[in-house]
Amino acid sequence: QKEVEQNSGPLSVPEGAIASLNCTYSDRGSQSFFWYRQYSGKSPELIMFIYSNGDKEDGRFTAQLNKASQYVSLLIRDSQPSDSATYLCAVNAGGFKTIFGAGTRLFVKA
Amino acid sequence: ETGVTQTPRHLVMGMTNKKSLKCEQHLGHNAMYWYKQSAKKPLELMFVYSLEERVENNSVPSRFSPECPNSSHLFLHLHTLQPEDSALYLCASSLNSESETQYFGPGTRLLVL
Repeated sequence: QKEVEQNSGPLSVPEGAIASLNCTYSDRGSQSFFWYRQYSGKSPELIMFIYSNGDKEDGRFTAQLNKASQYVSLLIRDSQPSDSATYLCAVNAGGFKTIFGAGTRLFVKA
Repeated sequence: ETGVTQTPRHLVMGMTNKKSLKCEQHLGHNAMYWYKQSAKKPLELMFVYSLEERVENNSVPSRFSPECPNSSHLFLHLHTLQPEDSALYLCASSLNSESETQYFGPGTRLLVL
């Protein structure tokens, strides 16, 4: 059973701090990794994807991938109250099947 | 607005009813997906269609029946559902498959009484 694990949270950080969201996956053959943000009552929207080991930065967001450790993370710098949402980690090991984690709830306190 | 629309947005149905969920994508994508999202659980992939052919069926009960008449439209036909089927049903599309980013519709919130 292929799995994607995330801490459900809530993760609470003060405004302006760095929020660190973590995800582990079980399928060593996984190739593509995604972070989606889902506001309450809304559908998931893509924040970032990463395919290669290392860091990938996009504005205040940095995705980090370590395939040897089967670990992917998302850092949010200068966190804002509008970043408060559930963050879903998703992993694709080829084909049409993308496995999602249950998500981590992030709360940014003003 | 992601270019993926779903109707209805909310649906209440009895266990003996028959209803259909509709999804339409305006992105020119070739793959479409149905997911079920229950509270505090991961998204569960139900069905995948690529170029109107079903390519994934994740052991979904037969009371859920998908239909993909063309690459822009996807339906989920519902009949004799159970209360545990109450959830958010999300449609998504991607350009092709295999590692492509998926774009989600707003979802249909389903309540089965």
